[in-house]
This record gives sequence, C-alpha cells and structure tokens, in this order.
Amino acid sequence: AQTVTQSQPEMSVQEAETVTLSCTYDTSESDYYLFWYKQPPSRQMILVIRQEAYKQQNATENRFSVNFQKAAKSFSLKISDSQLGDAAMYFCAYRRRGGNQFYFGTGTSLTVIP
Amino acid sequence: EAQVTQNPRYLITVTGKKLTVTCSQNMNHEYMSWYRQDPGLGLRQIYYSMNVEVTDKGDVPEGYKVSRKEKRNFPLILESPSPNQTSLYFCASSSQRRNTEAFFGQGTRLTVV
Repeated sequence: AQTVTQSQPEMSVQEAETVTLSCTYDTSESDYYLFWYKQPPSRQMILVIRQEAYKQQNATENRFSVNFQKAAKSFSLKISDSQLGDAAMYFCAYRRRGGNQFYFGTGTSLTVIP
Repeated sequence: EAQVTQNPRYLITVTGKKLTVTCSQNMNHEYMSWYRQDPGLGLRQIYYSMNVEVTDKGDVPEGYKVSRKEKRNFPLILESPSPNQTSLYFCASSSQRRNTEAFFGQGTRLTVV
C-alpha cells in the first residue's frame, strides 16, 4: 500500500517570509498525482496545488509552488510571502493514475507569526 | 456550483443511539468515500464506493456502514456509536475518468458521550 509521510507536525513562519513543508511518499507506480490540501480553522478541505508525476515541471499557483523530486519520492510545498490567512493544517495526498483511492499524510500545522 | 454537501456539521449523541450522516454530490462523480480525521493520524478512509451498489471497506471500517443506492448520495451510518468514534468526518467525491482531485464536504464534528 502507498504511504504518505509528513515529518513536520508543526511549522511556523514570519509574515511575508517563505516556508517549505515537506512530504515524502512510497509507491511502485510510475504515473500518479500528488496534491496539497489546506484546512483552515473552518475545517473545509481546500485544494492548494496539484502535480502530475509525468510532468517534470513543478506546479505553481500564485504564491504556492512545489518541488517535485520523482526519484527521491519527495513533494514539498513552498509558500512565498506568507500571509496570516495561510495559517492552517496542510495535508499532502497521493492518487495513482487510474486509481480511486487517495492516501493522505498526517498533516503539518502552519502558524504565521505577525 | 459543484459541491459536496454533508450534514449535519455538528452532532452530539449518546452511546448506542443510531445516527446517519448524509453526503450528496452534484458532479456526477463515480467515486465517493468517507474519512475520519483525528489529531496526529491525518485522514483515514472508512469506506468507499466506486459506483452505485458497489462499496468496500477502507482502513478503519469497524463500527460503520454505508450504502450507495443513488449515484449522488453516500450516507454514513453508525448503528451503535461509541465514544471512540468521536471524530471529524469528511465525505469526498472524485471522478474516476478524469483523475482529478478529491472534492470534500464541509465536515461533521461528531461527539459520542
């Protein structure tokens, strides 16, 4: 079974600074999707960014970007110019291409310090 | 608006009193699933359904039941809730064909006393 590991239960960042959240995964598949979800205090699960494994280019969405290292099975999220509204729990997730099940990490709680 | 609607958002109940959490999606997704979220454990899958009348156990199915009689609805049933089922529950749906992300409901905070 696939596993997703987030080794940082908690992180903090100063407002306007940059922070990187780590995620590693274990799979024998070559084609899959990786996701970062944000869960603010409202509890809603919000998709932040998605990466397709067959694409070498790292995905970017405004201030959010990923560093996808396929050989190392690493998928980190970089948040630039951190804002107070970025404070949330962040989950990394994996889905095999053609598969239905999603596998989630245990989450990283991000605090943004004013 | 594409969405997954989950109700109720908050529920306090007593041990042994049957309850149902409803979930409905309007995106014609084939795949639906239920997760529970507990501190330090992330999201763990309870049950999933690949289509109407097709359901299967996830990683933590004990104490739960589901049904999928219509494509849009996937209720979660706790026939005899116990305090260890106190948790935050999420319903999610996704398209099997398009390999998209999972879309989540608003979550249900369940407390069993």
